[in-house]
Amino acid sequence: KAGVTQTPRYLIKTRGQQVTLSCSPISGHRSVSWYQQTPGQGLQFLFEYFSETQRNKGNFPGRFSGRQFSNSRSEMNVSTLELGDSALYLCASSLPSYTSSGANVLTFGAGSRLTVL
Amino acid sequence: DQQVKQNSPSLSVQEGRISILNCDYTNSMFDYFLWYKKYPAEGPTFLISISSIKDKNEDGRFTVFLNKSAKHLSLHIVPSQPGDSAVYFCAASGAGANNLFFGTGTRLTVIP
Repeated sequence: KAGVTQTPRYLIKTRGQQVTLSCSPISGHRSVSWYQQTPGQGLQFLFEYFSETQRNKGNFPGRFSGRQFSNSRSEMNVSTLELGDSALYLCASSLPSYTSSGANVLTFGAGSRLTVL
Repeated sequence: DQQVKQNSPSLSVQEGRISILNCDYTNSMFDYFLWYKKYPAEGPTFLISISSIKDKNEDGRFTVFLNKSAKHLSLHIVPSQPGDSAVYFCAASGAGANNLFFGTGTRLTVIP
């Protein structure tokens, strides 16, 4: 079955602009999470949506927002872009699908690489 | 504050030998620990996990060990293969939580 699809894969913006990233989860997955990956910081949790409701939020400023639609597709938006927002933005979906150990496994997309100039 | 730490940014190992990747955490409330592997231009893919009630979990060439008292876990890959060359991320979560806390990753290079 199709994996997690993120668009666009690459984009370049300038400071002060805003950007919208899109994520289509695996069919049947209702939870969508977003992570920011930067060198030296690893993956940082942004937020998680389930059934169109934000269920959890990481420690990011209000410039970062998201939403989820009734078909589970999700978008995240970053307004007033700063140079430090340059990163790989990863979307992950889950069923949840638990491993034998009980851990909930997230399936990640390939990411959207944002460069802010 | 980084709650999950991978202090070795890189590791090189000869093909056929053992690779040991280490991870430390600070939050004693974490219940599950996972390892993800990431190739360039791809998203992280799940490798193996362990519950906090266990101290070892095996899956083929991959074994994860958990030492709760030391708040330390490690991933052993035996034997290492060139295709294992990737960045490995350690992650942790609390019970019932969907958000993962990730380490900064260790780049493993397996030399043929």
